[in-house]
Amino acid sequence: AQKVTQAQTEISVVEKEDVTLDCVYETRDTTYYLFWYKQPPSGELVFLIRRNSFDEQNEISGRYSWNFQKSTSSFNFTITASQVVDSAVYFCALSEGYYGGATNKLIFGTGTLLAVQP
Amino acid sequence: DAGVTQSPTHLIKTRGQHVTLRCSPISGHKSVSWYQQVLGQGPQFIFQYYEKEERGRGNFPDRFSARQFPNYSSELNVNALLLGDSALYLCASSPVGRVAGELFFGEGSRLTVL
Repeated sequence: AQKVTQAQTEISVVEKEDVTLDCVYETRDTTYYLFWYKQPPSGELVFLIRRNSFDEQNEISGRYSWNFQKSTSSFNFTITASQVVDSAVYFCALSEGYYGGATNKLIFGTGTLLAVQP
Repeated sequence: DAGVTQSPTHLIKTRGQHVTLRCSPISGHKSVSWYQQVLGQGPQFIFQYYEKEERGRGNFPDRFSARQFPNYSSELNVNALLLGDSALYLCASSPVGRVAGELFFGEGSRLTVL
């Protein structure tokens, strides 16, 4: 069965600190997608990144970077030089089924609440 | 361009009542998915509709139903409400039915069942 684990429930940092959010997943699919979403207090989930299971290259986008390691089934997210505006709940998600999969169902972790203090 | 819009944003119902939640996808998006997010948890998949046909259903009882209209908007209906149905209901749209791109979420409808 597919599962996403975000062991960190809450993280509190001071502005300008670097912070890493952990994500571990389980799946029997050989091809799948991994995602990170941000949920600010408004409730809307904001897409951050999608990663195909065949692409293990790390990715950097501004202050954000992602480390995908298939060997450890992890897809960690690092924010460099955090800012107060980064405060939100962050969710890691896994797509269910790819080949023949006719849905875009995502399996979400329980989320990590990041609080960045000024 | 308008994003995914949901209505109502907040509502309060009592046990046993019925509720209808509405979602308008981004223009050009043909797929709509519904997720339930209980406080402190991640969203859980309820339904997906693509081109007006049900494409997937999560592990929810038959009290939950949905449909998609010719203009691709969607309704989620929940009958015989229980206290445990209190949650944020999120609608997401995408241009295709499969996971080929990101899902675009609305701000949700927050349902409180008393």
